Amino acid sequence: QTVVTQEPSLTVSPGGTVTLTCASSTGAVTSGYYPNWFQQKPGQAPRALIYSTSNKHSWTPARFSGSLLGGKAALTLSGVQPEDEAEYYCLLYYGGARVFGGGTKLTVL
Amino acid sequence: QVQLQQSGPGLVKPSQTLSLTCAISGDSVSSNSAAWNWIRQSPSRGLEWLGRTYYRSKWYNDYAVSVKSRITINPDTSKNQFSLQLNSVTPEDTAVYYCARDLRLLYTYYGMDVWGQGTTVTVSS
Repeated sequence: QTVVTQEPSLTVSPGGTVTLTCASSTGAVTSGYYPNWFQQKPGQAPRALIYSTSNKHSWTPARFSGSLLGGKAALTLSGVQPEDEAEYYCLLYYGGARVFGGGTKLTVL
Repeated sequence: QVQLQQSGPGLVKPSQTLSLTCAISGDSVSSNSAAWNWIRQSPSRGLEWLGRTYYRSKWYNDYAVSVKSRITINPDTSKNQFSLQLNSVTPEDTAVYYCARDLRLLYTYYGMDVWGQGTTVTVSS
């Protein structure tokens, strides 16, 4: 069974920069896995931030960016705001199947 | 603006069938550019993709291995909606269930860009 792994938790100071990563048990993550990133706040549905590795939706703040880094998908937040405190999930495409990562709880402190 | 509106019971008895519906506005369940997904979320399993239905000259389905023997996702073109049926449920199926659109235009995957509001389903007698 395919497992997608994220850091369970990260802490960042307001105004700082943090990178979240997303690894696949099948090997290096490439653009062919079409990495998606989502933000979820308590009591809300996930909100899409990034699609196909690095593309932003029209509503995605400019401080969010996606990339591939060392065989993983990565989400970088630059100039972190207090409202960025949330759970972040990646999603990878495996042909017709989709697999979510376990999520990263980002604390802004 | 595309919106997904979920409906269905919040309580299901063990061994029975969980049934949810996702009504689509602003897009078509028969779109050649979209796939219509069900996802669930629980503290123990996190976000778990369950499956999808999509139309590409004919209807297709993909299901997660973990639920493949128990799940059916069906489109309803007359009502522009799609449904989830999960059979033989146990307390392990207790979760918040979401529907979501997965959009692909030409060669670009736009991902799961629109989500339903979520439905909390509890499996209990």
